[in-house]
Amino acid sequence: AQSVSQHNHHVILSEAASLELGCNYSYGGTVNLFWYVQYPGQHLQLLLKYFSGDPLVKGIKGFEAEFIKSKFSFNLRKPSVQWSDTAEYFCAVNTGGFKTIFGAGTRLFVKA
Amino acid sequence: DTGVSQDPRHKITKRGQNVTFRCDPISEHNRLYWYRQTLGQGPEFLTYFQNEAQLEKSRLLSDRFSAERPKGSFSTLEIQRTEQGDSAMYLCASSPPTRDVFSYNEQFFGPGTRLTVL
Repeated sequence: AQSVSQHNHHVILSEAASLELGCNYSYGGTVNLFWYVQYPGQHLQLLLKYFSGDPLVKGIKGFEAEFIKSKFSFNLRKPSVQWSDTAEYFCAVNTGGFKTIFGAGTRLFVKA
Repeated sequence: DTGVSQDPRHKITKRGQNVTFRCDPISEHNRLYWYRQTLGQGPEFLTYFQNEAQLEKSRLLSDRFSAERPKGSFSTLEIQRTEQGDSAMYLCASSPPTRDVFSYNEQFFGPGTRLTVL
C-alpha cells in the first residue's frame, strides 16, 4: 500500500535556526507532491507543490522542498525559521487518481 | 469569506445517534473531498466527488458512512449509529476544475467539524 513517512513528529528550534523536515513516500510511479501547513487555530493550507520540472520548488514564506526521485523523498527546508513558523506540517502524495495520502505530520515549535 | 465552510464546527453526540455534517466548497470548485483526522495523524481520505458524482470511496469507510453532493455544490456526510471510534475531526476540501479528469490540483481545506461521541 502507498504510504508517506514523516521522520520527526516534534521539532523544537530557536529562531534563525535552519529547518529540514523529512518526507519519504512509497510508490514507484509518477507522483504529485505537496507540503501543507496548519498554523494554530487555522485551516490546512498549501505551502508548496511539485508536479513536474525543476525538482527544487519554492513555496510561500521562504520555504522550499527538493524532490529526489531516487530516494523517494520530498524534504522541506527553510534556511532561517521565525517564531511565526510554529505550526504542524504535513507532507502529502498523489499518485494519480483522486486520492491523496498524507503523512502523520510534524509539529514544529520555534522558540523566540 | 470565500473559502470552504463547514457546519457545524463542533458536534457532541451519544453513541448510537446519527449525525450529519455539511460542507460548502469554494464556488466553481467542482471537486470535493472528505477526510477524517484523528489526534497525531494526518488527514485520511474518505471520499471524493466530481460535480455530483461520487467517484471514489475509501475501503476503510464503513457502511455507516454516506456522503452526498446532490447538485454538485454543497455536500453532506452522514454517520449512522455513531461509535466512540468515530470521534475525530472531519475535514472537507475542494479543488478547481482541471483540463482533464485525471489531472490534479491543490486542495483548499475547510476548518473541519470536530465530532465527539460519548
